[in-house]
Amino acid sequence: KAGVTQTPRYLIKTRGQQVTLSCSPISGHRSVSWYQQTPGQGLQFLFEYFSETQRNKGNFPGRFSGRQFSNSRSEMNVSTLELGDSALYLCASSLAAGWSSYNEQFFGPGTRLTVL
Amino acid sequence: AQSVAQPEDQVNVAEGNPLTVKCTYSVSGNPYLFWYVQYPNRGLQFLLKYITGDNLVKGSYGFEAEFNKSQTSFHLKKPSALVSDSALYFCAVLSGLDTGRRALTFGSGTRLQVQP
Repeated sequence: KAGVTQTPRYLIKTRGQQVTLSCSPISGHRSVSWYQQTPGQGLQFLFEYFSETQRNKGNFPGRFSGRQFSNSRSEMNVSTLELGDSALYLCASSLAAGWSSYNEQFFGPGTRLTVL
Repeated sequence: AQSVAQPEDQVNVAEGNPLTVKCTYSVSGNPYLFWYVQYPNRGLQFLLKYITGDNLVKGSYGFEAEFNKSQTSFHLKKPSALVSDSALYFCAVLSGLDTGRRALTFGSGTRLQVQP
């Protein structure tokens, strides 16, 4: 079974631009979560989508948004990029048979975003 | 609010020796605890989880973790370290199953260095 895939793997943008990152979960997984990883702040939760609905959002500004499609694929968008948005963005999928389930999350390789 | 602490930035151990990577947690209610490992330029790989049951949890690659409720700890262990175990290890706690706002909170990570 294929793992979580993320595209693109690397991205270079300039301040003020916007960016869209894509995540394809493991087949059959309905939950997709996004995390930001930086040396200073570590791993921080961005948001989770389950059945096309955002279920939870971390403490990030409104410039960070996302969506999930009917096939469970997810995209996240960052508008008006800032230098501090440079990070590894990780997507994780989970089987999540039900909203209260606690299945482990499986992570993709991440998208390395560099903002110049 | 839930939190996870990994008190050691780095752990050094000789190959063949036992290793321990420490983790303590703070949550309200029952803890759902996870260990992940990250190799350079890779996403996170799931190692093991504690949901309920035996306090000693066995996971991938020969790793195990001991859940201690009274000490609110979930230390990762391996009887005999390999050089290939050198990586960044993250402890995490899942919260929000009862509120519908599920999220993984990660510790700051511990770099494990196994010397040959």
